Amino acid sequence: NAGVTQTPKFQVLKTGQSMTLQCAQDMNHNSMYWYRQDPGMGLRLIYYSASEGTTDKGEVPNGYNVSRLNKREFSLRLESAAPSQTSVYFCASSEAGSGANVLTFGAGSRLTVL
Amino acid sequence: KQEVTQIPAALSVPEGENLVLNCSFTDSAIYNLQWFRQDPGKGLTSLLLIQSSQREQTSGRLNASLDKSSGRSTLYIAASQPGDSATYLCAPPGNQKVTFGTGTKLQVIP
Repeated sequence: NAGVTQTPKFQVLKTGQSMTLQCAQDMNHNSMYWYRQDPGMGLRLIYYSASEGTTDKGEVPNGYNVSRLNKREFSLRLESAAPSQTSVYFCASSEAGSGANVLTFGAGSRLTVL
Repeated sequence: KQEVTQIPAALSVPEGENLVLNCSFTDSAIYNLQWFRQDPGKGLTSLLLIQSSQREQTSGRLNASLDKSSGRSTLYIAASQPGDSATYLCAPPGNQKVTFGTGTKLQVIP
């Protein structure tokens, strides 16, 4: 099925460890996004990439880095994980520029930092 | 900065009732508005997309309206069913930084 694929689905880290969340879309979308979702906080934008080769900070970028590897892939890296980064992470993509901007989401990655 | 408010935060209704979920936003310079559904522990599923040039969009028992001038959108669910129980989120994309409301948690009681 076409869509947005995130890996891994679950991950447990110890404080200070690093990891990368992977995201790939096969819809030829230009824009990709990383969100985190916490109880009572809703979805908050971490980083986004309007097009291949560009990235920009969202609402909560501290402690994260991103890479738009190509048009299909957008990865999120935690260099030194902290318990405050325990969350569910969602990747999304959209065909920006057409005015449609329909967002399609991945299934999410649940991260626990001990 | 776009700010999105969804009212009510939670709603519990008996099966068969018609209901309205509200979404308000501060920046009316939006391209469109999208409504999503999220089941517990799951990702977001797109329900409806209203283009900025449209005033409403319908899909089955769902009808979404958009009033850009007042910064409001409503999601109307007709003849609610227990399977409609979920959290509903609205997202007015605006520029590139798509902002979400915190959602309305709906429970439909059989």
